[in-house]
Amino acid sequence: KQEVTQIPAALSVPEGENLVLNCSFTDSAIYNLQWFRQDPGKGLTSLLLIQSSQREQTSGRLNASLDKSSGRSTLYIAASQPGDSATYLCAVSILEYGNKLVFGAGTILRVKS
Amino acid sequence: DTGVSQDPRHKITKRGQNVTFRCDPISEHNRLYWYRQTLGQGPEFLTYFQNEAQLEKSRLLSDRFSAERPKGSFSTLEIQRTEQGDSAMYLCASSFVVWTANEKLFFGSGTQLSVL
Repeated sequence: KQEVTQIPAALSVPEGENLVLNCSFTDSAIYNLQWFRQDPGKGLTSLLLIQSSQREQTSGRLNASLDKSSGRSTLYIAASQPGDSATYLCAVSILEYGNKLVFGAGTILRVKS
Repeated sequence: DTGVSQDPRHKITKRGQNVTFRCDPISEHNRLYWYRQTLGQGPEFLTYFQNEAQLEKSRLLSDRFSAERPKGSFSTLEIQRTEQGDSAMYLCASSFVVWTANEKLFFGSGTQLSVL
């Protein structure tokens, strides 16, 4: 059974700091790995998607890496801003057809101004 | 593109009552997903549709749960004889996909269910 773990559970940093969020998964048989952002009481917004054959993806100040063999992914956020405060969720896709995602519990990020 | 719309945003019901939620996906999206999220946890997969066909159901989806997507457009999720353990945020997502490996999901804001 695929399990996804995110560390740390919560993180508080001053504005401007670079930070790394970690995600690990137990079964390397995945089709993609995705990072999402969730604001309180809201749905999820897709940030980055890394296909299983890829090593990393970048979007603006965000960079996500994937090491499938070791079952790890990291989300790097450069020059953090208060608007980055949210819960960040990592998820892996375990179906060949259909995006059946297994999520981690998330990392709650607070960026202090 | 108005995004994925879910109705209602909040639902309070008494144990034993039936409830129905609606999801309107982004127009032209061929896949529609239902997930459930409890406080402090990530979402859990419930079921998904490719057009009008329901292709995968989680074991979390007991006989009290049923989902439909008539004509491949909007979807409904019905819970019969609600239990307190059904209290959660029910999230709908949609996508237009040719290849699953690069499928991007668009989530709605969810329906928060509270069973008293």
